[in-house]
Formats: sequence, C-alpha cells, structure tokens
Amino acid sequence: QVQLQQSGPGLVKPSQTLSLTCAISGDSVSSNSVAWNWIRQSPSRGLEWLGRTYYRSKWYNDYALSVRSRVIITPDTSKNQFSLQLNSVTPEDTAVYYCARWVVVAGSRHFDYWGQGTLVTVSS
Amino acid sequence: EIVLTQSPGTLSLSPGERATLSCRASQSVSSSELAWYQQKPGQPPRVLMYGASSRATGIPDRFSGSGSGTEFTLTVGRLEPEDVALYYCQQSRNPPPEVTFGQGTRLEIK
Repeated sequence: QVQLQQSGPGLVKPSQTLSLTCAISGDSVSSNSVAWNWIRQSPSRGLEWLGRTYYRSKWYNDYALSVRSRVIITPDTSKNQFSLQLNSVTPEDTAVYYCARWVVVAGSRHFDYWGQGTLVTVSS
Repeated sequence: EIVLTQSPGTLSLSPGERATLSCRASQSVSSSELAWYQQKPGQPPRVLMYGASSRATGIPDRFSGSGSGTEFTLTVGRLEPEDVALYYCQQSRNPPPEVTFGQGTRLEIK
C-alpha cells in the first residue's frame, strides 16, 4: 500500500519561498514506471497541476507553463521523498497543495495515490 | 492548453436515480489520457475511472465511463447517499507536458 505523507509550513510571507515535502512509503521515488507530482487546489483556480519528477535511467522534470519560472521539484533518494519549491509567492498562491503518484495502467495514465493535502496561506 | 468544461455545475437527484456527468474538451483528448475523480470534503481526490472507461480498484460497478474525442461521460447508476461529492475529469498529454482538470460537478442527493 502506497502512502504519501506531506509536511511543510502552512503560512508563507509574500515574496518568499513555499517549500513542501512528500515522504513516500510503499514505493520508491526512483521507480522507473511512475512519476511524482505536485497539484494544488483553490476556489479561484480549481485543481491545478504544478509539475512532476520521474526517473527513467536519469532524472526528468516537467512543469506547468503557469509556474515554470518559479517552481522546482526535486527528488531525495536518501529519504525516499520529493519536494516542491515555489518562489516569489503572492496571495494568489494560497491553496491546498497535494502530492500525488502518476501511474500507467494498461497504457492509461492517472493519479492513483495522493497525499493528505497541506493548506498553505500566503500572507504577511 | 486543453480546457475541460464539465456540466452541469450541480446535479441534484434522488437515491436510486441515475446521474450523468459530462466533460467536454476544447481539443481532442486520447481516451487513454482521460480520468475521473471523486472528491469529498476535506479529502484529496480519489480516482474512479481511467482510460475513460476502466474502473479503478475498489470502485463499484455503479460507476461507468464512456466517450471519445472531445466528449466524455461519467455515469453513476442507482445513486446512494455516499455518492455526494465533487466529480472532476482530468486529461493529460505530452508533448508538451500538460495535465488539466475540469472545474467539477457537484452531485447532491435530494
């Protein structure tokens, strides 16, 4: 059974960096058949995919165009986890942030396991 | 970016009735890249269907999915009180890497 446990601060000041971590149990961040993602949800923007990291003989990252200039997702193989950094945050970045596993089943891709969610508020 | 538009915004039906939820894409989506999720308050989304019509593990056969191209449907037969939730469709494509969600349909039980 895969479990994703999120951690990180719930309050970030404007212009600072939002940092969250997702610890994986029941799978490996280095698995070559899945991808590890960050998704956020807010009333104004709905569910918004931010990006992913995955290993296919080497590490790759894909990011959403909307946040590409501000986001970094990094794996940590020593701790079997991955992290999100979102720079220069504004109140518009206030949302519930989720980590999620992306899997391929019979040629179809979807998110099958999700973290519990972290409400991050951007406010001074 | 592919925009997914879900309808109706809210669906209110009686127990035992059938619910039909629609997801329309602004461009053609591969069926293998279309999934449906259910979200209850305070919980993350849970996958119901993937590949447009395949039920995820543990999902009752009251749930079914269909469609292709730009029109997809999630059907919930014989509604039960536990089906009260928000329902989202989601598509992905690559290249360029992109994942988008619909804005959701709220399912209520009368």
